[in-house]
Amino acid sequence: EVQLVESGGGLVKPGGSLRLSCAASGFTFSSFTMNWVRQAPGKGLEWVSSISTSNGYIDYADSVKGRFTISRDNAKSSLYLQMNSLRAEDTAVYYCARVVGPDFWNGYVDDWGQGTQVTVSS
Amino acid sequence: QSALTQPPSASGSPGQSVTISCTGSSSDVGGYNYVSWYQHHPGKAPKLMIYEVTKRPSGVPDRFSGSKSGNTASLTVSGLQAEDEADYYCSSYAGTKKVFGGGTKLTVL
Repeated sequence: EVQLVESGGGLVKPGGSLRLSCAASGFTFSSFTMNWVRQAPGKGLEWVSSISTSNGYIDYADSVKGRFTISRDNAKSSLYLQMNSLRAEDTAVYYCARVVGPDFWNGYVDDWGQGTQVTVSS
Repeated sequence: QSALTQPPSASGSPGQSVTISCTGSSSDVGGYNYVSWYQHHPGKAPKLMIYEVTKRPSGVPDRFSGSKSGNTASLTVSGLQAEDEADYYCSSYAGTKKVFGGGTKLTVL
Protein backbone atom coordinates (compact mmCIF):
# COMPACT_ATOMS: atom_id res chain seq x y z
CA GLU A 1 0.00 0.00 0.00
CA VAL A 2 1.31 3.43 -1.01
CA GLN A 3 1.86 5.72 1.97
CA LEU A 4 2.90 9.36 1.88
CA VAL A 5 3.30 11.04 5.27
CA GLU A 6 4.03 14.76 5.46
CA SER A 7 5.59 16.52 8.43
CA GLY A 8 7.21 19.81 9.33
CA GLY A 9 4.25 22.15 9.12
CA GLY A 10 3.49 24.75 11.76
CA LEU A 11 3.08 28.41 12.58
CA VAL A 12 5.75 30.78 11.27
CA LYS A 13 6.05 34.56 11.06
CA PRO A 14 6.09 36.38 7.70
CA GLY A 15 9.58 36.28 6.27
CA GLY A 16 10.38 33.08 8.13
CA SER A 17 11.36 29.64 6.89
CA LEU A 18 10.03 26.11 7.19
CA ARG A 19 11.11 22.74 5.82
CA LEU A 20 8.48 20.18 4.94
CA SER A 21 9.25 16.48 4.65
CA CYS A 22 7.35 13.61 3.08
CA ALA A 23 8.18 10.01 3.98
CA ALA A 24 7.18 7.57 1.26
CA SER A 25 6.65 3.82 1.54
CA GLY A 26 4.92 0.97 -0.25
CA PHE A 27 6.46 1.68 -3.67
CA THR A 28 9.80 2.25 -5.40
CA PHE A 29 10.18 5.94 -4.55
CA SER A 30 13.09 6.51 -6.94
CA SER A 31 10.94 5.56 -9.93
CA PHE A 32 8.37 8.34 -9.59
CA THR A 33 8.21 12.07 -10.18
CA MET A 34 6.97 13.75 -6.99
CA ASN A 35 5.00 16.94 -6.42
CA TRP A 36 3.98 19.34 -3.71
CA VAL A 37 0.41 20.64 -4.02
CA ARG A 38 -1.26 23.07 -1.59
CA GLN A 39 -4.74 24.18 -0.63
CA ALA A 40 -5.26 27.59 0.96
CA PRO A 41 -8.24 28.10 3.29
CA GLY A 42 -11.45 28.17 1.27
CA LYS A 43 -9.57 27.79 -2.01
CA GLY A 44 -8.92 25.05 -4.52
CA LEU A 45 -5.84 22.92 -5.07
CA GLU A 46 -2.71 24.63 -6.39
CA TRP A 47 0.33 22.89 -7.85
CA VAL A 48 3.52 24.13 -6.11
CA SER A 49 6.51 22.17 -7.39
CA SER A 50 7.66 19.02 -9.17
CA ILE A 51 10.89 17.01 -9.11
CA SER A 52 11.84 14.19 -11.45
CA THR A 53 13.11 10.79 -10.42
CA SER A 54 16.80 11.69 -10.30
CA ASN A 55 16.60 15.46 -9.75
CA GLY A 56 17.21 16.02 -13.45
CA TYR A 57 14.10 18.17 -13.82
CA ILE A 58 12.61 20.60 -11.31
CA ASP A 59 9.75 23.05 -11.79
CA TYR A 60 7.97 25.62 -9.63
CA ALA A 61 4.78 27.63 -9.73
CA ASP A 62 5.44 31.31 -10.41
CA SER A 63 4.00 32.14 -6.97
CA VAL A 64 6.85 30.33 -5.14
CA LYS A 65 9.73 30.54 -7.62
CA GLY A 66 12.87 31.90 -5.97
CA ARG A 67 11.54 31.27 -2.45
CA PHE A 68 10.85 27.52 -2.32
CA THR A 69 13.26 24.67 -3.08
CA ILE A 70 12.16 21.10 -3.72
CA SER A 71 14.54 18.18 -3.21
CA ARG A 72 14.51 14.43 -2.69
CA ASP A 73 16.64 11.71 -1.14
CA ASN A 74 15.93 8.46 -2.96
CA ALA A 75 18.02 6.47 -0.47
CA LYS A 76 15.69 7.62 2.29
CA SER A 77 12.49 7.58 0.17
CA SER A 78 11.89 11.16 1.20
CA LEU A 79 10.71 14.36 -0.45
CA TYR A 80 11.38 17.83 0.92
CA LEU A 81 10.22 21.41 0.45
CA GLN A 82 12.37 24.21 1.83
CA MET A 83 10.20 27.31 2.13
CA ASN A 84 11.89 30.68 2.67
CA SER A 85 10.61 34.26 2.77
CA LEU A 86 7.17 32.99 3.70
CA ARG A 87 4.14 35.20 3.15
CA ALA A 88 0.62 35.18 4.55
CA GLU A 89 -0.62 33.91 1.19
CA ASP A 90 1.50 30.76 1.60
CA THR A 91 -0.83 29.67 4.41
CA ALA A 92 -2.26 26.34 3.27
CA VAL A 93 -2.36 22.60 3.73
CA TYR A 94 0.61 21.20 1.80
CA TYR A 95 0.23 17.78 0.19
CA CYS A 96 2.94 15.42 -1.00
CA ALA A 97 1.79 13.74 -4.22
CA ARG A 98 3.06 10.94 -6.46
CA VAL A 99 2.87 11.44 -10.22
CA VAL A 100 2.35 8.77 -12.86
CA GLY A 101 3.16 9.51 -16.47
CA PRO A 102 5.35 8.83 -19.50
CA ASP A 103 7.72 11.68 -18.67
CA PHE A 104 8.25 14.68 -16.36
CA TRP A 105 5.91 16.92 -18.33
CA ASN A 106 2.84 14.73 -18.76
CA GLY A 107 0.85 12.60 -16.34
CA TYR A 108 -1.37 12.79 -13.30
CA VAL A 109 -1.25 12.53 -9.50
CA ASP A 110 -2.36 9.07 -8.41
CA ASP A 111 -1.63 9.15 -4.68
CA TRP A 112 -1.65 11.88 -2.04
CA GLY A 113 -0.58 12.29 1.56
CA GLN A 114 -2.92 13.58 4.25
CA GLY A 115 -1.26 16.99 4.21
CA THR A 116 0.51 19.22 6.72
CA GLN A 117 -0.74 22.65 7.77
CA VAL A 118 1.45 25.70 7.25
CA THR A 119 0.28 28.96 8.80
CA VAL A 120 2.13 32.21 8.15
CA SER A 121 1.04 34.87 10.60
CA SER A 122 2.53 37.44 12.95
CA GLN B 1 -0.82 29.55 -14.52
CA SER B 2 -4.58 30.11 -14.59
CA ALA B 3 -6.76 27.60 -12.82
CA LEU B 4 -9.24 25.53 -14.78
CA THR B 5 -12.87 26.72 -14.45
CA GLN B 6 -15.38 24.60 -12.55
CA PRO B 7 -18.84 25.48 -11.24
CA PRO B 8 -18.61 26.12 -7.49
CA SER B 9 -21.49 23.81 -6.68
CA ALA B 10 -23.63 20.97 -8.04
CA SER B 11 -26.35 18.87 -6.51
CA GLY B 12 -28.67 15.96 -7.11
CA SER B 13 -30.95 13.56 -5.31
CA PRO B 14 -29.95 9.96 -4.54
CA GLY B 15 -30.16 7.85 -7.68
CA GLN B 16 -29.89 10.82 -10.05
CA SER B 17 -26.98 11.76 -12.31
CA VAL B 18 -24.86 14.89 -12.03
CA THR B 19 -22.26 16.26 -14.44
CA ILE B 20 -19.46 18.60 -13.40
CA SER B 21 -17.65 20.59 -16.08
CA CYS B 22 -14.02 21.71 -16.23
CA THR B 23 -13.08 24.34 -18.80
CA GLY B 24 -9.56 25.15 -19.82
CA SER B 25 -7.83 26.03 -23.06
CA SER B 26 -6.13 24.44 -26.04
CA SER B 27 -2.84 24.49 -24.09
CA ASP B 28 -4.14 22.25 -21.32
CA VAL B 29 -7.51 20.43 -21.37
CA GLY B 30 -8.05 20.78 -25.09
CA GLY B 31 -4.55 19.93 -26.19
CA TYR B 32 -3.76 16.82 -24.18
CA ASN B 33 -5.44 13.71 -22.79
CA TYR B 34 -3.99 14.13 -19.29
CA VAL B 35 -7.16 15.32 -17.55
CA SER B 36 -7.79 13.79 -14.15
CA TRP B 37 -10.48 14.14 -11.49
CA TYR B 38 -10.18 13.94 -7.70
CA GLN B 39 -12.68 13.46 -4.89
CA HIS B 40 -11.79 15.33 -1.69
CA HIS B 41 -13.46 14.97 1.65
CA PRO B 42 -12.25 17.75 3.99
CA GLY B 43 -9.46 16.61 6.27
CA LYS B 44 -8.64 13.61 4.11
CA ALA B 45 -6.27 12.97 1.25
CA PRO B 46 -7.72 13.64 -2.20
CA LYS B 47 -8.61 10.47 -4.12
CA LEU B 48 -8.05 9.86 -7.83
CA MET B 49 -11.37 9.07 -9.54
CA ILE B 50 -10.61 9.48 -13.27
CA TYR B 51 -7.32 9.74 -15.17
CA GLU B 52 -6.40 10.34 -18.81
CA VAL B 53 -9.88 11.81 -19.42
CA THR B 54 -11.90 8.58 -19.27
CA LYS B 55 -10.01 5.90 -17.32
CA ARG B 56 -11.07 4.68 -13.89
CA PRO B 57 -8.55 3.38 -11.32
CA SER B 58 -9.35 -0.02 -9.85
CA GLY B 59 -11.73 0.29 -6.93
CA VAL B 60 -13.55 3.36 -8.25
CA PRO B 61 -17.21 2.54 -8.95
CA ASP B 62 -18.30 2.58 -12.59
CA ARG B 63 -20.89 5.17 -11.59
CA PHE B 64 -18.06 7.66 -12.14
CA SER B 65 -17.20 8.48 -15.75
CA GLY B 66 -15.19 11.11 -17.59
CA SER B 67 -15.33 12.70 -21.02
CA LYS B 68 -13.95 15.63 -22.99
CA SER B 69 -15.13 17.87 -25.79
CA GLY B 70 -12.84 20.59 -27.07
CA ASN B 71 -11.49 22.59 -24.13
CA THR B 72 -14.05 21.24 -21.64
CA ALA B 73 -13.79 18.03 -19.66
CA SER B 74 -16.65 16.57 -17.67
CA LEU B 75 -17.14 14.21 -14.74
CA THR B 76 -20.48 12.41 -14.52
CA VAL B 77 -21.65 10.68 -11.36
CA SER B 78 -24.58 8.35 -12.02
CA GLY B 79 -26.80 6.77 -9.40
CA LEU B 80 -25.82 9.36 -6.79
CA GLN B 81 -25.18 8.03 -3.30
CA ALA B 82 -24.82 9.89 -0.01
CA GLU B 83 -21.11 9.07 0.17
CA ASP B 84 -20.51 10.88 -3.13
CA GLU B 85 -20.99 14.20 -1.32
CA ALA B 86 -17.55 15.83 -1.47
CA ASP B 87 -15.46 18.41 -3.29
CA TYR B 88 -14.35 17.44 -6.80
CA TYR B 89 -11.33 18.86 -8.61
CA CYS B 90 -10.20 18.49 -12.19
CA SER B 91 -6.57 18.74 -13.20
CA SER B 92 -4.42 18.94 -16.29
CA TYR B 93 -0.77 17.91 -16.06
CA ALA B 94 0.51 18.33 -19.59
CA GLY B 95 3.19 20.16 -21.48
CA THR B 96 4.62 22.93 -19.36
CA LYS B 97 1.43 23.48 -17.35
CA LYS B 98 0.22 21.79 -14.18
CA VAL B 99 -3.14 23.23 -13.16
CA PHE B 100 -6.16 22.35 -11.08
CA GLY B 101 -9.72 23.55 -11.22
CA GLY B 102 -11.20 25.69 -8.48
CA GLY B 103 -13.28 22.78 -7.20
CA THR B 104 -16.98 21.87 -7.21
CA LYS B 105 -18.88 21.05 -4.03
CA LEU B 106 -21.25 18.19 -4.82
CA THR B 107 -24.26 17.99 -2.52
CA VAL B 108 -26.50 14.94 -2.39
CA LEU B 109 -29.93 16.26 -1.47
